[in-house]
Amino acid sequence: AQKVTQAQTEISVVEKEDVTLDCVYETRDTTYYLFWYKQPPSGELVFLIRRNSFDEQNEISGRYSWNFQKSTSSFNFTITASQVVDSAVYFCALSEAVGGGSQGNLIFGKGTKLSVKP
Amino acid sequence: NAGVTQTPKFQVLKTGQSMTLQCAQDMNHEYMSWYRQDPGMGLRLIHYSVGAGITDQGEVPNGYNVSRSTTEDFPLRLLSAAPSQTSVYFCASRRSRGGAYTFGSGTRLTVV
Repeated sequence: AQKVTQAQTEISVVEKEDVTLDCVYETRDTTYYLFWYKQPPSGELVFLIRRNSFDEQNEISGRYSWNFQKSTSSFNFTITASQVVDSAVYFCALSEAVGGGSQGNLIFGKGTKLSVKP
Repeated sequence: NAGVTQTPKFQVLKTGQSMTLQCAQDMNHEYMSWYRQDPGMGLRLIHYSVGAGITDQGEVPNGYNVSRSTTEDFPLRLLSAAPSQTSVYFCASRRSRGGAYTFGSGTRLTVV
């Protein structure tokens, strides 16, 4: 069965600290996609990144970076030099290419609430 | 380019009332889905569609109905509202299986 676990319910840091949000997934598919979404206090869901299971290269986008490790079924997200505007709930999600029975709809973790204090 | 448009943004219903949450996308996406978000639960799939005329149930379909008569529209109907349906509802669309979803801005529904 497919599952996404975000063990950190809430994290609080001080501005300029680095912070890593953990994501562990379970799937039987060999082809799948992993996502991160950001939900700021205004409530909308903002797409951050999509990664397919065959691409284990780490990705960096400005202060954001993602570490995908198939060996540990993890897709962790790091924010470097955090800012107050990074305060949000962050969701990790999984989509299976073949199995799952729901046409690859996103399976979400429960989210990690990040608070960045000035 | 509006993306995914949901209406209304807020709604209060009395127990037993019915209503339709509207969702429209202008990106010609085949795949559309409805999710509900509850505190501490993440987002859970209610119903989804892989094209006009094709719908299926997700994880939490009870009490909801959908139809997809056009590519653009995917309304969600609450048949007889219950307090347990108090939630934030998100509609989303994507071009293909495995693609990134674009989400609407959400509908906050309260059932009293």
